[in-house]
Amino acid sequence: DAGVTQSPTHLIKTRGQQVTLRCSPISGHKSVSWYQQVLGQGPQFIFQYYEKEERGRGNFPDRFSARQFPNYSSELNVNALLLGDSALYLCASSLIGAGGYEQYFGPGTRLTVT
Amino acid sequence: AQTVTQSQPEMSVQEAETVTLSCTYDTSENNYYLFWYKQPPSRQMILVIRQEAYKQQNATENRFSVNFQKAAKSFSLKISDSQLGDTAMYFCAFMKPSHGSSNTGKLIFGQGTTLQVKP
Repeated sequence: DAGVTQSPTHLIKTRGQQVTLRCSPISGHKSVSWYQQVLGQGPQFIFQYYEKEERGRGNFPDRFSARQFPNYSSELNVNALLLGDSALYLCASSLIGAGGYEQYFGPGTRLTVT
Repeated sequence: AQTVTQSQPEMSVQEAETVTLSCTYDTSENNYYLFWYKQPPSRQMILVIRQEAYKQQNATENRFSVNFQKAAKSFSLKISDSQLGDTAMYFCAFMKPSHGSSNTGKLIFGQGTTLQVKP
C-alpha cells in the first residue's frame, strides 16, 4: 500500500506570493495533520482535519488555512508568504482523529521563500 | 500548555554500543501518549516506539526500549547494538488524549537530538 504522499517535493516562492501544498493520506485513513518544521527544529503543529472538519489549530496566523476533501486528501494554503515561512511542511495521516493513534508522515514539501 | 524538552542536541555512539537519548515533558494530564520518532537525513519521519502513560510497563521494540518515569516526567530512549542505519535525528513527542473534538491527535515535539553512529 502507498504511504502518505505530498506534492510538490520542493517549491520556491517569492515574498508576498501564495502557495498550495497537497497531501494524500494512506488509504483508509480519515485524519490528516499538517506540521511546519524549520531547519534544525522539531515540527510544529499547524492543523488537524478529521472527516473533513477542522479538529485542531496550532499557533499560526490566519495566512495559513487548510481543507480536507471527500476523498480525505488535504491542501494547506499559505498567503502573503514571508521569509520566515521557509520550512519543511509535513503531512501526517492517521486512522481516526483520536489521541494515541499513530501518525504516519509523508516525505514533506520543502518551501523556500526568497 | 504541554512542553517537551530534549537537552542533548547532538550525540554520537560507536557501532554495536548502547546509547540513551533523554526527554522530559511537562503536563498536568494524567493520561497521555509519548512517542519517539526517527528522521534520517533527507528521509521521512518514522515512528520508533510509543508509550501509553497508563501503562507501567516500559515499551520495547527490538533494539529500542524506553525508560518511562511518570512521576519525574521523563521518557528516555535506549538504543542497543547501535547500527549505522540508526544515524538520524530523533524526536520525542507528546500527545494528549481526546477530549471531545478538541485538539485530537496533536503531536508536540521536542527540539530533537542528532545521533551519529560511528563505524
